[in-house]
Amino acid sequence: DVKVTQSSRYLVKRTGEKVFLECVQDMDHENMFWYRQDPGLGLRLIYFSYDVKMKEKGDIPEGYSVSREKKERFSLILESASTNQTSMYLCASSHRVVRREERVWYGYTFGSGTRLTVV
Amino acid sequence: AQTVTQSQPEMSVQEAETVTLSCTYDTSESNYYLFWYKQPPSRQMILVIRQEAYKQQNATENRFSVNFQKAAKSFSLKISDSQLGDTAMYFCAFMKQNSGGYQKVTFGIGTKLQVIP
Repeated sequence: DVKVTQSSRYLVKRTGEKVFLECVQDMDHENMFWYRQDPGLGLRLIYFSYDVKMKEKGDIPEGYSVSREKKERFSLILESASTNQTSMYLCASSHRVVRREERVWYGYTFGSGTRLTVV
Repeated sequence: AQTVTQSQPEMSVQEAETVTLSCTYDTSESNYYLFWYKQPPSRQMILVIRQEAYKQQNATENRFSVNFQKAAKSFSLKISDSQLGDTAMYFCAFMKQNSGGYQKVTFGIGTKLQVIP
């Protein structure tokens, strides 16, 4: 069974700490994504990566950075954690499936999420 | 930019009954995909159903079906014979089709569905 694994389910950090959230997928997917999920706001894209060492800003990149040194691993970094970064963080991956002459995308596979609390 | 709107923050349904979750979207694209994702309490988000915009036939997956109205930009999810395990947050999502490579997905804010015994 294919998997996206997030290293921590729950995390509590102090304001100002540098925080690393790790995500690993075993499906050889090209694309990986980090979202944060907040009540009433749904899922908002922070960063995504379409290849090793490649990254693109999403809709809310401020206060975050990412690293993708290997295809299977995509890390989200909070350089200096703040209380407004308390949230559920979801990692996802996706890949390109070629069907006849058309590239068809089959959506995301999500990790279980990391609930981060910054105090 | 694409937007996805789910106007029902919370809904409830009696077990074995049918419920419909609404979703509208806004886009200028003609080729795209629409999805419904399910996130059970404290569990992983999973794909429920997918619709390709160029297909007129509504997608169906067992008890889950969609009503896709392209002109109206509407994509509702119908759950038949509701079960307690259907209790979850449901997210509608949009992805435009592009042969060039990676694609981002735009999500709605979700509808919390409670199935009542």
